Amino acid sequence: QVQLQESGPGLVKPSETLSLTCTVSGGSISTYYWSWIRQPPGKALEWLGYIFYSGTTTYNPSLKSRVTMSVDTSKNQFSLKLTSVTAADTAVYYCARTPVLFGLYYFDLWGQGTLVTVSS
Amino acid sequence: DIQMTQSPSSLSASEGDIVTITCRASQIIRSSLNWYQVKPGKAPKLLVYGASNLHSGAPSKFTGSGSGTDFTLIVSSLQPEDFATYYCQQTYSAPYTFGQGTKLEI
Repeated sequence: QVQLQESGPGLVKPSETLSLTCTVSGGSISTYYWSWIRQPPGKALEWLGYIFYSGTTTYNPSLKSRVTMSVDTSKNQFSLKLTSVTAADTAVYYCARTPVLFGLYYFDLWGQGTLVTVSS
Repeated sequence: DIQMTQSPSSLSASEGDIVTITCRASQIIRSSLNWYQVKPGKAPKLLVYGASNLHSGAPSKFTGSGSGTDFTLIVSSLQPEDFATYYCQQTYSAPYTFGQGTKLEI
């Protein structure tokens, strides 16, 4: 069955760039949208944005120009970059498959999440 | 942004109980409402999409309803594995926003 797995550094220094990759196994990355979501400690989930397998993106405006998502169909992976991080970016980061059904988006398959801590 | 407000924020219940979680949107979102179950260290699970459609693999004990601005998730016959945090999410318009969560405790 299809599985998603996040990977990347668990510790990032303030002002540096957070980089994460989500590997899709057991199925193709093509056809779907793919999202990034995060959850700061003790807080609610926050949708960061999504990328279509063709490379089209939509980002959460709250992140302004700090976020970039990309996709590598040859590796069945998609990635997240978040620049100029601060302690407020400390969170568990999830990737999720995002089907669209008659215009309704939903996140039907998630990775287990990876904790990223921003600290010097 | 559309704000999603869940109530209650926490809920104590016992095995076998039926519980109701509500979610209110700050504007009309038609039926663009999804429900998720989140447990620490585990991949979140989609329970209901489009307000009332049970996701394949989700037990039939989860029932979603509502449209417009007011939505409900009912969890029946509570079992130990149901104690978790539940989130609603609107996907009517980006940025897609979640409620603050409802922690269901024994």
